[in-house]
Amino acid sequence: RKEVEQDPGPFNVPEGATVAFNCTYSNSASQSFFWYRQDCRKEPKLLMSVYSSGNEDGRFTAQLNRASQYISLLIRDSKLSDSATYLCVVNIRARGSTLGRLYFGRGTQLTVWP
Amino acid sequence: EAGVAQSPRYKIIEKRQSVAFWCNPISGHATLYWYQQILGQGPKLLIQFQNNGVVDDSQLPKDRFSAERLKGVDSTLKIQPAKLEDSAVYLCASSSIDSAYEQYFGPGTRLTVT
Repeated sequence: RKEVEQDPGPFNVPEGATVAFNCTYSNSASQSFFWYRQDCRKEPKLLMSVYSSGNEDGRFTAQLNRASQYISLLIRDSKLSDSATYLCVVNIRARGSTLGRLYFGRGTQLTVWP
Repeated sequence: EAGVAQSPRYKIIEKRQSVAFWCNPISGHATLYWYQQILGQGPKLLIQFQNNGVVDDSQLPKDRFSAERLKGVDSTLKIQPAKLEDSAVYLCASSSIDSAYEQYFGPGTRLTVT
């Protein structure tokens, strides 16, 4: 079973739409959670961290539900520039180790059209 | 601030040949990572260094892949001999010790094995 599962999409939405992505993780020892963004043929970049209390960064809202092992990302008022692949990422620290490693989902592809 | 540098950007080889990739992390970043990203999937960690020591190489196919970071700065990843299924983008990333989840990725090397 994969550590992180995401719906690959694609999601095709018009400008101004609200779109939501979800992912689930399998390891209850996962300690921290993130969304990375990857543009076509580019490297991934950190978009935002995800906290249980929920956090917002402009038009982006991320939410974590530890009980359900579920992470979400909401994008409001979509822009053309939001077109990218959104990667759900969890950090798992091995027992006895001070360092963790990141596990990436396969990504959800978003296309925003004019 | 200069980002993570990688070379070459593209490489085409025949199966059973050897290939090497080079990475120079962001100055001052102690932790360096090599990821493999197959088309349509998220990055998968191959090996993680802290300074010049290996922290995690559990996913590295050691019969054909090797990596080193001799002076704790730049790193090389080698594949010998290559297989068709090694066709992927090889991403190098680095992070500071106190912010391991915020990884900065290089542009990657796109490897095609024919």
